[in-house]
Amino acid sequence: KNEVEQSPQNLTAQEGEFITINCSYSVGISALHWLQQHPGGGIVSLFMLSSGKKKHGRLIATINIQEKHSSLHITASHPRDSAVYICAVPTANFGNEKLTFGTGTRLTIIP
Amino acid sequence: DAGITQSPRHKVTETGTPVTLRCHQTENHRYMYWYRQDPGHGLRLIHYSYGVKDTDKGEVSDGYSVSRSKTEDFLLTLESATSSQTSVYFCAISPISSSYNSPLHFGNGTRLTVT
Repeated sequence: KNEVEQSPQNLTAQEGEFITINCSYSVGISALHWLQQHPGGGIVSLFMLSSGKKKHGRLIATINIQEKHSSLHITASHPRDSAVYICAVPTANFGNEKLTFGTGTRLTIIP
Repeated sequence: DAGITQSPRHKVTETGTPVTLRCHQTENHRYMYWYRQDPGHGLRLIHYSYGVKDTDKGEVSDGYSVSRSKTEDFLLTLESATSSQTSVYFCAISPISSSYNSPLHFGNGTRLTVT
């Protein structure tokens, strides 16, 4: 099983700040998921990435396969970005059926 | 948004009673998953399905059974509910299994309380 650690567990920032959330895992993987869980509980897939960097709007995800580490960045943060951000990685040689999820980073953006 | 609906959204039941949660999708995706989410834990897989009548256990499958008689429906049954099964349950779907190019789409969750 892949072990997943996210940091920080909680993060409070002012609107407009640049946000970084980290995810480290123990076993080499083919790809990594970043998810967003809204305050109402719904979960949305943000990114899947297997190398380099992906960008969607103000969100940027990077991954370093050699270091077994991924980061999620939010530029020009906004209160609507307040959510729990979760990373998930597969057990080696498996896909979505063997995902290990981090416990999440709770982000609060203050206006 | 992917068409995935969970029912009921909330359920309160007594210990020892059977409970069935339903996940319905309109995306014709092959893979369907049931997870539970508890404080201090990441999402944990209960069971998953890789096709009609094809299911397999996840890491926390004890006390749960599943059935998939149609592509669009995946049922999770608690045969005899216990307080330890109080949780929020999420259904998810994906077209294929590989994480490389197969995003997960989640339902809105079912909050189950066992008293």
